[in-house]
Amino acid sequence: AQSVTQLDSHVSVSEGTPVLLRCNYSSSYSPSLFWYVQHPNKGLQLLLKYTSAATLVKGINGFEAEFKKSETSFHLTKPSAHMSDAAEYFCVVSDLTGGFKTIFGAGTRLFVKA
Amino acid sequence: EAQVTQNPRYLITVTGKKLTVTCSQNMNHEYMSWYRQDPGLGLRQIYYSMNVEVTDKGDVPEGYKVSRKEKRNFPLILESPSPNQTSLYFCASRTGISTDTQYFGPGTRLTVL
Repeated sequence: AQSVTQLDSHVSVSEGTPVLLRCNYSSSYSPSLFWYVQHPNKGLQLLLKYTSAATLVKGINGFEAEFKKSETSFHLTKPSAHMSDAAEYFCVVSDLTGGFKTIFGAGTRLFVKA
Repeated sequence: EAQVTQNPRYLITVTGKKLTVTCSQNMNHEYMSWYRQDPGLGLRQIYYSMNVEVTDKGDVPEGYKVSRKEKRNFPLILESPSPNQTSLYFCASRTGISTDTQYFGPGTRLTVL
């Protein structure tokens, strides 16, 4: 069965320092993996997705993620945090083992200190 | 403009009073889905639909119904709402390809007293 674990419920960084949001997944087949961002009182926006092409995926706003099959991980990174990055981030998995279900992680709230 | 719309955006109701939250998309997407968002739990899928007249349960379907009579619409029905259904609800749509991006509506905040 599919599952997604976001290893940190909260992450706090200083502006200008690197961001790392961790995600581990479980999937029997080649999964599709996504990161979405939700700013306060806003809807969800796609940051990036992995769909079995390149393992290093670049997204919007300077974010990127690396698919590591051996570690079943899909961690989200950004070299330098900006105040506007403060939001909640969701790791999402979808594959055929779950039918056409979509499974969200519990979310990681990113705080950025000035 | 490509979009997913939901109505109402905010709703306060009482236990047992039937309600419907509408969802409509203008992108001719085959796949539509409903989620609820609760603090610390992320988004959990309630129901999804692969196409007209094809629906299936997600992870938390109890207490909800859906229908897909037209491709663009996917209403969520609460026949007898209870306080534990107080939540933020999102509708989403995408093409029939599982690797494609889901587009989310703005959300409906429901309070059941």
